[in-house]
Amino acid sequence: DGGITQSPKYLFRKEGQNVTLSCEQNLNHDAMYWYRQDPGQGLRLIYYSQIVNDFQKGDIAEGYSVSREKKESFPLTVTSAQKNPTAFYLCASSIVSGDTQYFGPGTRLTVL
Amino acid sequence: QKEVEQDPGPLSVPEGAIVSLNCTYSNSAFQYFMWYRQYSRKGPELLMYTYSSGNKEDGRFTAQVDKSSKYISLFIRDSQPSDSATYLCAPPNQAGTALIFGKGTTLSVSS
Repeated sequence: DGGITQSPKYLFRKEGQNVTLSCEQNLNHDAMYWYRQDPGQGLRLIYYSQIVNDFQKGDIAEGYSVSREKKESFPLTVTSAQKNPTAFYLCASSIVSGDTQYFGPGTRLTVL
Repeated sequence: QKEVEQDPGPLSVPEGAIVSLNCTYSNSAFQYFMWYRQYSRKGPELLMYTYSSGNKEDGRFTAQVDKSSKYISLFIRDSQPSDSATYLCAPPNQAGTALIFGKGTTLSVSS
């Protein structure tokens, strides 16, 4: 079964702690993306990667970091520098950048 | 002006109604558009993909693009309660590296 998986589904962290969200795909897609979704805000692009070992900042990259060491994996770290990290985080992938994106189920992060 | 704008709704209709969901865009260079459907607390799923010139039909769904007025529409015929979701339109950015998402329109279909 091909698809995108995100884990965990729900995540709780204390303020000031870094946290890493997992995203894995077995679709053999080159491009991967991270979005943040807040109520009334739509999807906002955090980072994207067009190919392994390369990634670019999106519109709201401050307080986040990523790595792309493997084609299948694009983990997102929410650092303590992110002022308002509580949100719904969505990972997506596409065959090439700018093409149709396929989304994972999302991770809901709550910082207490 | 934002690159992609959608009326957030909510839009409430009875079962069986024809629904029109709309999106306006500012960049005339956009070549294609995607419509995604997102159920509450789930990831968006691709609904339709249409080029900037013309219409596309898929079952009960029709996507229409009016390039002259930079207006995109998604029509849903014979709407069902299972169509209750948020609908997002998304053209590619100018560099072609990512999609730009509208904020989405929330639709509620009552039985």
